[in-house]
Amino acid sequence: GEDVEQSLFLSVREGDSSVINCTYTDSSSTYLYWYKQEPGAGLQLLTYIFSNMDMKQDQRLTVLLNKKDKHLSLRIADTQTGDSAIYFCAERGNQGGKLIFGQGTELSVKP
Amino acid sequence: NAGVTQTPKFQVLKTGQSMTLQCAQDMNHEYMSWYRQDPGMGLRLIHYSVGAGITDQGEVPNGYNVSRSTTEDFPLRLLSAAPSQTSVYFCASSHLKGNQPQHFGDGTRLSIL
Repeated sequence: GEDVEQSLFLSVREGDSSVINCTYTDSSSTYLYWYKQEPGAGLQLLTYIFSNMDMKQDQRLTVLLNKKDKHLSLRIADTQTGDSAIYFCAERGNQGGKLIFGQGTELSVKP
Repeated sequence: NAGVTQTPKFQVLKTGQSMTLQCAQDMNHEYMSWYRQDPGMGLRLIHYSVGAGITDQGEVPNGYNVSRSTTEDFPLRLLSAAPSQTSVYFCASSHLKGNQPQHFGDGTRLSIL
């Protein structure tokens, strides 16, 4: 069945780049999303990429998609302490609005 | 802009009690869904709905019921709460067509004693 995998933790120093990785199994995925969850809050959409794209850049965020390997990554340039949060990768297949989420990667940014 | 509104924000129940978690959206979204979030397991889909009168099971439906009598509301019912249902519950909604990212509520933190 459909599955999305992420590593659970990532620690970086302020000012460095962060790269959060995600793998998925559903080859029919149409859109792939990155959500951010701050402590005690809901999920906030950060960015998304359509499955026929290789890369998308949005200010400090760069999303790379390797469709052959079913690998998605989120790069955050110049990581700040305010970027500390849990980041979820999610895929959407061709079954309407249904999303499958990864376990979430907890990003810790040290000053 | 209200978006997706969940009530209550916090709730403590005893084993065997029943309760309903409320979710309402004012964006005329066709798709609504309920997730539970547990440490290290991400968000798991409980039930979802693609329109009024239509519901379907997600990944972890056991112990939960839903109904969708209107486009706006999608309540989640626990008929007989169990400690394993202690979790944070999120409601989300979106349009169905095209790239329509899901909008999430702020969550309901539920503890079953």
